[in-house]
Amino acid sequence: LAKTTQPISMDSYEGQEVNITCSHNNIATNDYITWYQQFPSQGPRFIIQGYKTKVTNEVASLFIPADRKSSTLSLPRVSLSDTAVYYCLVGDLNTGFQKLVFGTGTRLLVSP
Amino acid sequence: ETGVTQTPRHLVMGMTNKKSLKCEQHLGHNAMYWYKQSAKKPLELMFVYNFKEQTENNSVPSRFSPECPNSSHLFLHLHTLQPEDSALYLCASSPRTDPYEQYFGPGTRLTVT
Repeated sequence: LAKTTQPISMDSYEGQEVNITCSHNNIATNDYITWYQQFPSQGPRFIIQGYKTKVTNEVASLFIPADRKSSTLSLPRVSLSDTAVYYCLVGDLNTGFQKLVFGTGTRLLVSP
Repeated sequence: ETGVTQTPRHLVMGMTNKKSLKCEQHLGHNAMYWYKQSAKKPLELMFVYNFKEQTENNSVPSRFSPECPNSSHLFLHLHTLQPEDSALYLCASSPRTDPYEQYFGPGTRLTVT
């Protein structure tokens, strides 16, 4: 099971780009990287998922270097509403049912 | 979003009561999950159902009893709970082919008195 390490918290200002890095040094060949966002008293929301290089959607970008030992979630031009906890999960999609662990995540605070 | 709904949204129950939480997904997924989130703690995966079959039970006390009658509905039956069971209970669903792409409901805020 690939263990993930994220910063406990980050601060930013409105309009800035925010990059949250997740370390997963023992990622396995079949593992994918998935990021979630959670607001207080709500369920997490799936943001993005990738295997290698770069993935982009309407919400964020996910950068994965060639060695895949880390990944970076990039949020362009954050707003106050992006204040939330962000979770990085790593696992094999075929066996993931047994290994879903959200961890403590990164608490992002966006200020005016 | 109404892909995954949960009822009730709030529940207060005594330790001797029996109640049930309901979850329904309209996404055509085949896997459903129950999570518990206590204050200041990470999400804890409780149960996993894959094609209506329970595949995971992460050492959850027997006072929590899940039921999955079909791939769209999931219940969590509660009886003789303890105050420490007070938490946000979240239901999620995912495609069978990707358990990491989960869609969560709004949760049920449970208070045990």
